[in-house]
Amino acid sequence: SAVISQKPSRDICQRGTSLTIQCQVDSQVTMMFWYRQQPGQSLTLIATANQGSEATYESGFVIDKFPISRPNLTFSTLTVSNMSPEDSSIYLCSVIRGTDEQYFGPGTRLTVT
Amino acid sequence: KQEVTQIPAALSVPEGENLVLNCSFTDSAIYNLQWFRQDPGKGLTSLLLIQSSQREQTSGRLNASLDKSSGRSTLYIAASQPGDSATYLCAVKVGAQKLVFGQGTRLTINP
Repeated sequence: SAVISQKPSRDICQRGTSLTIQCQVDSQVTMMFWYRQQPGQSLTLIATANQGSEATYESGFVIDKFPISRPNLTFSTLTVSNMSPEDSSIYLCSVIRGTDEQYFGPGTRLTVT
Repeated sequence: KQEVTQIPAALSVPEGENLVLNCSFTDSAIYNLQWFRQDPGKGLTSLLLIQSSQREQTSGRLNASLDKSSGRSTLYIAASQPGDSATYLCAVKVGAQKLVFGQGTRLTINP
């Protein structure tokens, strides 16, 4: 399995501001993934973060809005920029271990007012 | 475009019953299928992973099956308990390590 921690666990932010979410994994991984879960919806992949290269974004997500850093093999950050109420979601970090099994962090619950 | 559907959206059963949750997907070109549970306000807990070459996986009271050709998976929960109450999510892995999720089944086990 994998032990994944995220900070903050929740936050309430004002429109127009930015929030950086941190994800820490208990051991080195090649790829880290960021997912979003909007209220009442299922999870959607935002981007894949590899160490030493730019993140790969899914359709509908752009780097200017969701910049990602991956400074080493156990850590990543996702920034939600220029927030609007539509960004209110749970943001989850994820990694792959073992035989391609995917594990998720506890999530960051973001509310934008 | 891969789409994943879970039926029913919600299910309420008395404690002790056996139950089946359904998951269907539109494109059979998957690498694997994974079942998760999500408790309110929490992250996801991995329950079972079925590789595309496998037909089923078992863990304790849980059994998941995969029929890739028909685009279906089922999660069987035996002797349900109130602690099984959660939302159950099915996800298929497609190219570039991407998971595509269903909307989930909200399960309530009544004591």
